Amino acid sequence: QLVLTQSPSASASLGASVKLTCTLSSGHNSYAIAWHQQQPEKGPRYLMKLNSDGSHSKGDGIPDRFSGSSSGAERYLTISSLQSEDEGDYYCQTWDTGIQVFGGGTKLTVL
Amino acid sequence: EVQLLLESGGGLVQPGGSLRLSCAVSGFTFSSYAMSWVRQAPGKGLEWVSTITGSGGSTYYADSVEGRFTISRDNSKNTLYLQMNSLRAEDTAVFYCAKVAEMSPTYFQHWGQGTLVSVSS
Repeated sequence: QLVLTQSPSASASLGASVKLTCTLSSGHNSYAIAWHQQQPEKGPRYLMKLNSDGSHSKGDGIPDRFSGSSSGAERYLTISSLQSEDEGDYYCQTWDTGIQVFGGGTKLTVL
Repeated sequence: EVQLLLESGGGLVQPGGSLRLSCAVSGFTFSSYAMSWVRQAPGKGLEWVSTITGSGGSTYYADSVEGRFTISRDNSKNTLYLQMNSLRAEDTAVFYCAKVAEMSPTYFQHWGQGTLVSVSS
């Protein structure tokens, strides 16, 4: 079964960096994912597609502060030079034939 | 060109009732992309609901809505629909329309702002 696992919460200081993790279920190491951001009281926004080899393509207007990387079943989203507007929920998402799957989301707090 | 997805049709409905959501899009060639509905219950995460391919020839549903919801599209009107029947309290959520990156179901590349569906007596 295709499942994505995310830590429920993360925090980091203003100006620092944070690395969020999304883990694919066993047997799905080769799957690409997408990262989405949801700021408080707003709709989601697409950040990037992240492949198993770590290559990624970002959405329009996504700052260079956002980057992605991969290792095995892990998919990472790194946000550097954290700003207050980066606070919110971050979801990973993947797909297979006939289904699309979300992780449970990570709530990022900028201290 | 700016891509816009504008949902409408949400509201308050009694359990067992029906509702039809619409999503009007602009700024891209609608028929070239699969489209999806994703929902978010109050205080919860995102849940995929349904996807339709660019041609409309194939549709996919989450188990939680299979047999009750029907996704469709009118490529001449650049509009996506979700017909929701036999609504339950647990269907209460903000429903988002999302553009998929390709003609077949993959990842969501653009999102609407959502429309709220409340199921309550």
